[in-house]
Amino acid sequence: GDSVTQMEGPVTLSEEAFLTINCTYTATGYPSLFWYVQYPGEGLQLLLKATKADDKGSNKGFEATYRKETTSFHLEKGSVQVSDSAVYFCALTRSSGANSKLTFGKGITLSVRP
Amino acid sequence: EAGVAQSPRYKIIEKRQSVAFWCNPISGHATLYWYQQILGQGPKLLIQFQNNGVVDDSQLPKDRFSAERLKGVDSTLKIQPAKLEDSAVYLCASSLEGKNTEAFFGQGTRLTVV
Repeated sequence: GDSVTQMEGPVTLSEEAFLTINCTYTATGYPSLFWYVQYPGEGLQLLLKATKADDKGSNKGFEATYRKETTSFHLEKGSVQVSDSAVYFCALTRSSGANSKLTFGKGITLSVRP
Repeated sequence: EAGVAQSPRYKIIEKRQSVAFWCNPISGHATLYWYQQILGQGPKLLIQFQNNGVVDDSQLPKDRFSAERLKGVDSTLKIQPAKLEDSAVYLCASSLEGKNTEAFFGQGTRLTVV
């Protein structure tokens, strides 16, 4: 079945550091890939997405490129801020007819210190 | 625009008791999802509705869990009887119909079974 694997956490960085969070997936066909973020006390929010190979999703300074050859969708940000502290989830969906469920990774907690 | 509303936010019950959660999706969203998020794991789909029909309930423990979406709008998820391993956050999400449409999540209900 479909699965998403994220690097183990938690991750602690200083403000303005470079961030990479690894994500790889297993799925047949051509899934769409997502990064969701959960800020403290809030619900899951879509951060960015890519729907086909070599697409780059970007939002709020975060980027991720859909790499089909390595089945990866790593999240990067050049300079993190304290406000980026949150839990990040990588996810995929393979829309099949009306079925559009998301398959999530375990999530990783990012803490950014001033 | 109002987001996905869930209630209650927190619930503590004893094992073998019953509990119900309520979700009001974003107006106009035909698709509604219930996910279970156990501590330290990513959300796992329990059931997906399109309007008031079930699209996927393959991972719903039907001996104890039930869900309905009357009139294709609000939805309730019930657990009866609850077990200790049901302790989790129950997330409701909704989306428009179609492929790769964004799912919007509520803040979730945190259930503790003691």
